[in-house]
Amino acid sequence: QKEVEQDPGPLSVPEGAIVSLNCTYSNSAFQYFMWYRQYSRKGPELLMYTYSSGNKEDGRFTAQVDKSSKYISLFIRDSQPSDSATYLCAMSAVDSSYKLIFGSGTRLLVRP
Amino acid sequence: EAGVVQSPRYKIIEKKQPVAFWCNPISGHNTLYWYLQNLGQGPELLIRYENEEAVDDSQLPKDRFSAERLKGVDSTLKIQPAELGDSAVYLCASSHGGAVPGELFFGEGSRLTVL
Repeated sequence: QKEVEQDPGPLSVPEGAIVSLNCTYSNSAFQYFMWYRQYSRKGPELLMYTYSSGNKEDGRFTAQVDKSSKYISLFIRDSQPSDSATYLCAMSAVDSSYKLIFGSGTRLLVRP
Repeated sequence: EAGVVQSPRYKIIEKKQPVAFWCNPISGHNTLYWYLQNLGQGPELLIRYENEEAVDDSQLPKDRFSAERLKGVDSTLKIQPAELGDSAVYLCASSHGGAVPGELFFGEGSRLTVL
């Protein structure tokens, strides 16, 4: 079983929809939780990060961490075609020198 | 500010041939990473450098892979000999001290096809 599990999708939604992307994990030592966005044939870019539990909002994006359930989410409001990309969750722990463990990514397609 | 630069972007070779990838990190970033990304998968760490020291190379297949970062800036990742299963994207990333743990800046990757 992988340390970080992520549904590969693809997830296809109409423009303007609310998108929910999720990851589950098994290592309770994870403290930093990241969401990276990767466009086709590009490198990943950091979208948001959260430390420990709670919510964080940045514009149309909201990241949530529920450590008790070992479950993290990324919500995208008013989704745009430019949001079409693969979304990778990643997480790290201090006892592994913050080595990032990535999920396999969820491919999102926002239809105009 | 220039981002992480990788070359070549694409490489096609026959199996058993050698191949090398080059990475120039963001200026001032002392930590450099090489990741492997297979199709439909997330990146997996191959090696991490702090300046010129390799501090985590536990996932680097040392029988055929080697890496160096001689002056603590540019880095080269080499595969010799390449196997069919090495076809993947090789990503370089960098980060700086004081950054949020896990805040990495990635290059566009070097896509390797082994025939």
